[in-house]
Amino acid sequence: GAGVSQSPSNKVTEKGKDVELRCDPISGHTALYWYRQRLGQGLEFLIYFQGNSAPDKSGLPSDRFSAERTGESVSTLTIQRTQQEDSAVYLCASSLDGVPGNTIYFGEGSWLTVV
Amino acid sequence: AQSVTQPDIHITVSEGASLELRCNYSYGATPYLFWYVQSPGQGLQLLLKYFSGDTLVQGIKGFEAEFKRSQSSFNLRKPSVHWSDAAEYFCAVGRYGQNFVFGPGTRLSVLP
Repeated sequence: GAGVSQSPSNKVTEKGKDVELRCDPISGHTALYWYRQRLGQGLEFLIYFQGNSAPDKSGLPSDRFSAERTGESVSTLTIQRTQQEDSAVYLCASSLDGVPGNTIYFGEGSWLTVV
Repeated sequence: AQSVTQPDIHITVSEGASLELRCNYSYGATPYLFWYVQSPGQGLQLLLKYFSGDTLVQGIKGFEAEFKRSQSSFNLRKPSVHWSDAAEYFCAVGRYGQNFVFGPGTRLSVLP
């Protein structure tokens, strides 16, 4: 597609439920990133995929968070047993490869509200 | 550890005034540096980036930034601010084969 696509754009879930957030990167982009942005705060790194390399999961805040990527395409971020502190915008981004000189393009984000 | 700081949480300027947003980084080598803007309800948009060459880089919307190695800084500037520039601005560091590290952001308000 023309840009990074994320779904759902908005999700309200009850505390304790599991949620899945989806990211479709720009076609041909091998690098994919997930960030979390709490209201009024900066971007918090979660996980980074680069091609077939082992993902960098160093930013995942707890074992309730996991992410997968199918080849060099779609990625799914899963949050199990959601808590209210998980409420945030989850941003996905992609770039052509892991070379930082290449621009990373962000999706519009998935707004998650845990009630 | 690599880090990015943006000392100003919130800046208010009058329309037409000049603007400078500060960014400092901590990194062991010359980093790749970026400025992104996030307008209300919108995604992040790249303003400009630096990774080599001329230390003064031009971006979109009339923004520019200057890389100063001696000060570990990459400040964003605009000579005349427009009301539409009101947004959140993020400085970021890119590192080869690793994730991008973002600063906490500076919120810009523009007075009419």
